[in-house]
Amino acid sequence: DGGITQSPKYLFRKEGQNVTLSCEQNLNHDAMYWYRQDPGQGLRLIYYSQIVNDFQKGDIAEGYSVSREKKESFPLTVTSAQKNPTAFYLCASSFERGEDNEQFFGPGTRLTVL
Amino acid sequence: GQNIDQPTEMTATEGAIVQINCTYQTSGFNGLFWYQQHAGEAPTFLSYNVLDGLEEKGRFSSFLSRSKGYSYLLLKELQMKDSASYLCAVRVLRDDKIIFGKGTRLHILP
Repeated sequence: DGGITQSPKYLFRKEGQNVTLSCEQNLNHDAMYWYRQDPGQGLRLIYYSQIVNDFQKGDIAEGYSVSREKKESFPLTVTSAQKNPTAFYLCASSFERGEDNEQFFGPGTRLTVL
Repeated sequence: GQNIDQPTEMTATEGAIVQINCTYQTSGFNGLFWYQQHAGEAPTFLSYNVLDGLEEKGRFSSFLSRSKGYSYLLLKELQMKDSASYLCAVRVLRDDKIIFGKGTRLHILP
């Protein structure tokens, strides 16, 4: 089955610790994205990558870092510099160009920092 | 700047029709998406409009007017399972990013 996976579904961390959220897709998509969603809010773009070994900052990149060493994988690290990290994190992927360039979303990771 | 507006909440009755509006002001336009999101779950794709006009897909239809910066999602024959948030999102020309609105929470009453 093709799809996009995120793990874990729930994650708890102490304040001051870095944490890495995984995102893997086997859809052969070129582009991958990380969003953050807070209660009652829309999705805000953290980082995105259109090709391997390249990525761009989204609207709220401060306190986050990413890597794109493989086409299938786009892990997100939430660093201790992120002032308010508790949120629902969604990873998505899509073909870079073309008419059917909808984004497919993973199931999300709910991060709680204590 | 980028701005996408949609109502925060709406309520409708099972079996009825509801229209969810979305207006946008973005730096360039390259298509508009509608997604459905149930509480605690990931968004799922509903529609994608690039050209003006109405696109119908079963009980759901989406309309776009690029000159007015306006779209709507029309849901017919509402079912209880349609209770969810509906997200309007625009693919902007510059950087090819997708910008999301805050979503409209739709409540369906029996």
